[in-house]
Amino acid sequence: DVKVTQSSRYLVKRTGEKVFLECVQDMDHENMFWYRQDPGLGLRLIYFSYDVKMKEKGDIPEGYSVSREKKERFSLILESASTNQTSMYLCASSHPLGAGVVETQYFGPGTRLLVL
Amino acid sequence: GDSVTQMEGPVTLSEEAFLTINCTYTATGYPSLFWYVQYPGEGLQLLLKATKADDKGSNKGFEATYRKETTSFHLEKGSVQVSDSAVYFCAAGRGGSQGNLIFGKGTKLSVKP
Repeated sequence: DVKVTQSSRYLVKRTGEKVFLECVQDMDHENMFWYRQDPGLGLRLIYFSYDVKMKEKGDIPEGYSVSREKKERFSLILESASTNQTSMYLCASSHPLGAGVVETQYFGPGTRLLVL
Repeated sequence: GDSVTQMEGPVTLSEEAFLTINCTYTATGYPSLFWYVQYPGEGLQLLLKATKADDKGSNKGFEATYRKETTSFHLEKGSVQVSDSAVYFCAAGRGGSQGNLIFGKGTKLSVKP
C-alpha cells in the first residue's frame, strides 16, 4: 500500500513564526503536491514538485515556499505565519502521467494548522 | 480554464436510500476523472476513477460513468449506509506529465440510521 505521512496532525503556531510542514512518501513517486483545504473552497493547490529540487507554483502560492531535497520528502514552509493561513494542509504524491498510467494521487492524513 | 463543479451539500439521507452526487467538468480534451472520499479526521482516499468515455468506475457499491456528451461523472450508490457518511470530491486531470488534478469543492454526505 502507498503510504504518505505528514509530520503532525495538529499544530498551533503564533503569527510571524516560521512553520515547517513535512511530508514523506514511500512509493518512489516523482510527483508531490501540497494543498490547503478550507470549508466551501475545497482543495486548492499551493505548490507541486515533479522531481528532486524542482518546484512549480500552484493556484495559491503566495505566503508559502517549498523544498524537495530528497525524492521521498516534500516540505511546505510558511515563512511568516498569518492567521489567514489557518487551514487543513494535505500532501499527496503520484507517478507522472504516462502510457497506461493515470494521475491517481495518494494523500496523507493532513495537518490541521491553527495560527493565533 | 479547467474546472470541476459538483452539487453543493450537505446531503442528508436515510440508511438504504439511493445516492446521486452530480459532477460536471470543463476541460480541454478528455481528462481522467476521479471520485475521492474523505472520512472525518482523515485525508482523501481514491474511491473510483475512469480514464475514457463510457468507462464505468466502481468500488464499495459506488459507481460513476464517464459521459463525454454531457461532460459528467455523477456518483451513485443504490443503498447507502451510515458508514458512507463523509465528504466526496470529484476531480479531473489537468493534463501534463506532472499529473495535476483539479478538484470540485466537495459534497458532505450524512446518512442517518
